[in-house]
Amino acid sequence: AQKITQTQPGMFVQEKEAVTLDCTYDTSDPSYGLFWYKQPSSGEMIFLIYQGSYDQQNATEGRYSLNFQKARKSANLVISASQLGDSAMYFCAARSQGGSEKLVFGKGTKLTVNP
Amino acid sequence: NAGVTQTPKFRILKIGQSMTLQCTQDMNHNYMYWYRQDPGMGLKLIYYSVGAGITDKGEVPNGYNVSRSTTEDFPLRLELAAPSQTSVYFCASSSSPGRGTDTQYFGPGTRLTVL
Repeated sequence: AQKITQTQPGMFVQEKEAVTLDCTYDTSDPSYGLFWYKQPSSGEMIFLIYQGSYDQQNATEGRYSLNFQKARKSANLVISASQLGDSAMYFCAARSQGGSEKLVFGKGTKLTVNP
Repeated sequence: NAGVTQTPKFRILKIGQSMTLQCTQDMNHNYMYWYRQDPGMGLKLIYYSVGAGITDKGEVPNGYNVSRSTTEDFPLRLELAAPSQTSVYFCASSSSPGRGTDTQYFGPGTRLTVL
């Protein structure tokens, strides 16, 4: 079974600064994928970024990057140049690859961007 | 494309009542999922389906039933509603989740209150 831990219930960042949201995972699967989703106050789940366990390079998508440290089982999300619209809940999730369909989510981190 | 649509958006039920949450996707995805999100928590998988006629239990299936008669539709049935089922329900779909970056696309959610 997989487990996702997000230890930061809430984070604050100044506009235009970078922020790191922590995520650690626990899995015995040899191959897996890690995801980050954003949930604004409107409630929808928005996919941000993906990292495969065998990917050699850290994933990047625009202002989002994933700091993947496999030995530490961590997959932290880095948001550069924060914007007011980045204020939202952020969820880390994991999925086994090669047959399992389940996404396992962490409890989330609430990010507030201050002007 | 509408993506994943859910109806209704909001619903209040009395204890013991039943209802069906509707979910439709127009992306021809084989895989569909139902999650619930309790306040301050991440999403938990209720049921999923890998194709028409095939469904399986997730992490929290008790009190729910699903069916998948077509590729597009994946309704979630609540029988004998209980206050513990007060939650936000998300439907999601994906084409082939075992491969790489293929992510799950989420519907807007249904906010259900059981009184």
